[in-house]
Amino acid sequence: AQSVTQPDIHITVSEGASLELRCNYSYGATPYLFWYVQSPGQGLQLLLKYFSGDTLVQGIKGFEAEFKRSQSSFNLRKPSVHWSDAAEYFCAVGALNSGYSTLTFGKGTMLLVSP
Amino acid sequence: NAGVMQNPRHLVRRRGQEARLRCSPMKGHSHVYWYRQLPEEGLKFMVYLQKENIIDESGMPKERFSAEFPKEGPSILRIQQVVRGDSAAYFCASSPPGGERYQPQHFGDGTRLSIL
Repeated sequence: AQSVTQPDIHITVSEGASLELRCNYSYGATPYLFWYVQSPGQGLQLLLKYFSGDTLVQGIKGFEAEFKRSQSSFNLRKPSVHWSDAAEYFCAVGALNSGYSTLTFGKGTMLLVSP
Repeated sequence: NAGVMQNPRHLVRRRGQEARLRCSPMKGHSHVYWYRQLPEEGLKFMVYLQKENIIDESGMPKERFSAEFPKEGPSILRIQQVVRGDSAAYFCASSPPGGERYQPQHFGDGTRLSIL
């Protein structure tokens, strides 16, 4: 069965500083990997996804993530954080079953942005 | 172009009552997924449905929980005789049929269920 680990429960970053959120996954085949963001009281918004091909994927809002198979990682990065980026971030791995998919989520990393 | 619609956004029930959560998928989507998010946890898969069929309910508690996706109307997640531990955010996601291709899931804003 697949699993996702997000080692950092909370991270505080100064506005304008760079950000890296860690994600490690466990999956027997080539994974489908996702990063979602959740603002308080809201649903999940897809930031970016990796299916295959180029291991560096670009997403919305200036985010990118790099798939490293050797490390089973899919870390999320942003070069300069804005106060509006404060939210909870979830990494997820997707499993393709017989004609449908399921997502397994990490427990999330809460990003706090200090002025 | 409406997204996944869930209602109500917030639902308060007393222990022993029933909770009914609704989800209307995006237009053109025939696959519906329900996830539960407990406090300070990630989302956990509960059930996957297509029209009139439950395909995978491996994440659904064996008792008190049921789901349906009728031919007409929204998908319903039903929790009977609710207990305090049912307090959580319940998210619905939908995707188009994909066959052997992976189709990303689009999430609704969730229903926050509080049990008094």
